[in-house]
Amino acid sequence: KAGVTQTPRYLIKTRGQQVTLSCSPISGHRSVSWYQQTPGQGLQFLFEYFSETQRNKGNFPGRFSGRQFSNSRSEMNVSTLELGDSALYLCASSPSTSGRRETQYFGPGTRLLVL
Amino acid sequence: GENVEQHPSTLSVQEGDSAVIKCTYSDSASNYFPWYKQELGKGPQLIIDIRSNVGEKKDQRIAVTLNKTAKHFSLHITETQPEDSAVYFCAASRGSARQLTFGSGTQLTVLP
Repeated sequence: KAGVTQTPRYLIKTRGQQVTLSCSPISGHRSVSWYQQTPGQGLQFLFEYFSETQRNKGNFPGRFSGRQFSNSRSEMNVSTLELGDSALYLCASSPSTSGRRETQYFGPGTRLLVL
Repeated sequence: GENVEQHPSTLSVQEGDSAVIKCTYSDSASNYFPWYKQELGKGPQLIIDIRSNVGEKKDQRIAVTLNKTAKHFSLHITETQPEDSAVYFCAASRGSARQLTFGSGTQLTVLP
């Protein structure tokens, strides 16, 4: 079974621009969560989507948004980029079956550099 | 909200020795505790997890213990090998929430 895939793997943007990152979960997984990883703040939860609905949201400004499509694929968008948004953005998917719903499997991440 | 503290931040061991990483959590409602291994340039890989109704879980050379009363859990790696070298993260969540709170990570180096 293929793992979580994220595109693009690397991205360079300038301040003020916006960016869209994509995530395809493991086949059959309906929950997708997004995390930001930086050297200073570590791994921080952004938001979680399940059946096209945002169920949880972390403490990030409104510039960070996301959505999920009917095939469970998800995108996250960051508008008006700031230098501090430079990070590794990780997507994780979770199974829908009971008993393992909470287990999250991570993709390789998208490395975003804001200049 | 939940806060997870992880120690040590760096750990060096000789090949064949054991390694122990410890985490404490603050939210008594947390009931799911996974451990992830992250190698350079890759996403975190789940290596073992434990739920609050279990005190210990083992998978070959890896084991995790949970003390709900003290709100701490630990990762034990026995017979370490150079390929175990990586950054290890503990995490906690209220299981159904799928919102993991991570520790700050431990850089494990296994010296040949």
